[in-house]
Amino acid sequence: DIQMTQSPSSLSATVGDRVTITCRASQSINNYLNWYQQKPGKAPKLLIYAASTLQSGVPSRFSGSGSGTDFTLTISSLQPEDFATYYCQQGHSMFRTFGGGTKVEVK
Amino acid sequence: QVQLQESGPGLVKPSETLSLTCTVSGGSISPHYWSWIRQSPGKGLEWIGYIFYRGNTNYNPSLKSRLTMSVATSKNQFSLRLTSVTAADTAVYFCARVNSRFCSGSTCFEGPYYGMDVWGQGATVTVSS
Repeated sequence: DIQMTQSPSSLSATVGDRVTITCRASQSINNYLNWYQQKPGKAPKLLIYAASTLQSGVPSRFSGSGSGTDFTLTISSLQPEDFATYYCQQGHSMFRTFGGGTKVEVK
Repeated sequence: QVQLQESGPGLVKPSETLSLTCTVSGGSISPHYWSWIRQSPGKGLEWIGYIFYRGNTNYNPSLKSRLTMSVATSKNQFSLRLTSVTAADTAVYFCARVNSRFCSGSTCFEGPYYGMDVWGQGATVTVSS
């Protein structure tokens, strides 16, 4: 299994902050890395796929980078609607796996 | 736009079979891959597996012995069946469409690698006697 480790598991931030979340794979997954946002009681929403491609309709303040084993999700200027939990997910191995999640909370 | 809706019993007894159906509206079930994901109370996301519209499947190894996915193209539906359930199978079950196309410049790549781009609202299933 490919283990996906996200850090931090939670963070406190203020509107306007630049927020960075990291995701590390236990082995190389090339660029098969996807990011989701989930709000309480809702289904996850695909933000970024193939490590850095913005899903249609997602604001440009979200960006992704990385390749191989280390990846980053960046929110350039945090907005009120961005307080949520973020998950990474690898699409490389037959057995897809998610990271444990990063909860972005109000400071 | 494409919408997904899960349906099935919200309560299942231990050792019995959990069955859920996902109905696709606003689009065709072909030529896509379709996935199931679950989330235990207060926990993270767990990938269950996916099925291609032609019936090819890929399952989570930890569930494979108890899991069957199927597709009914004429009804625009796909389904999940999990046998011998225990309390550990209590979760919100989501169905989702797999994003299977990625284009970089003029080159496009196909395959079930690029996340899940359309999700159902989720169905809560509790395993309890």
